[in-house]
Amino acid sequence: GESVGLHLPTLSVQEGDNSIINCAYSNSASDYFIWYKQESGKGPQFIIDIRSNMDKRQGQRVTVLLNKTVKHLSLQIAATQPGDSAVYFCAEGEGTSNTGKLIFGQGTTLQVKP
Amino acid sequence: ETGVTQTPRHLVMGMTNKKSLKCEQHLGHNAMYWYKQSAKKPLELMFVYSLEERVENNSVPSRFSPECPNSSHLFLHLHTLQPEDSALYLCASSQGPGANVLTFGAGSRLTVL
Repeated sequence: GESVGLHLPTLSVQEGDNSIINCAYSNSASDYFIWYKQESGKGPQFIIDIRSNMDKRQGQRVTVLLNKTVKHLSLQIAATQPGDSAVYFCAEGEGTSNTGKLIFGQGTTLQVKP
Repeated sequence: ETGVTQTPRHLVMGMTNKKSLKCEQHLGHNAMYWYKQSAKKPLELMFVYSLEERVENNSVPSRFSPECPNSSHLFLHLHTLQPEDSALYLCASSQGPGANVLTFGAGSRLTVL
């Protein structure tokens, strides 16, 4: 069946270092991928998305990489800051779907050490 | 107000109570969603509404009853819940029902005693 998973439940990094959060997906038909950040007591907040016709997309301090061959997605955060501490979720969806159904992974908790 | 607003933020109810969760979006979006977030589990899609019409019901028990009176408001009516229904219930909206960016509210934390 479909599944979206993250390789590590918790990632601890030093402030100022780069962070890499990984995600594996299983549905070959998925053509849309998205990363969310959820801070304690808040709802998930959109970070960046990418469609399957791209391998890489950059935002402000964040980069998403998509490897369709091995069905792998990663989120890179440059110069990690204490405010980046949160749970990060990846999600996949099918653009042809008319229900907007996103399948979410379980989440990776990013801890930033000062 | 901007974004997606959910009320109440916290709710404690007994198994025989009837309560409702409310969601309001101020983004002009056409699709609205209910998700359930339980500890150590991925976000679970419950319901999808597009232009006030339900387009997906993900095998959710009938003790959860959604209502979408217009494109800006979404309710989740709760009746005869079980303790395992305790979770964070998240409302989201998007421009359309296709796979795209969802804007989430802060959630309603539900505890069923």
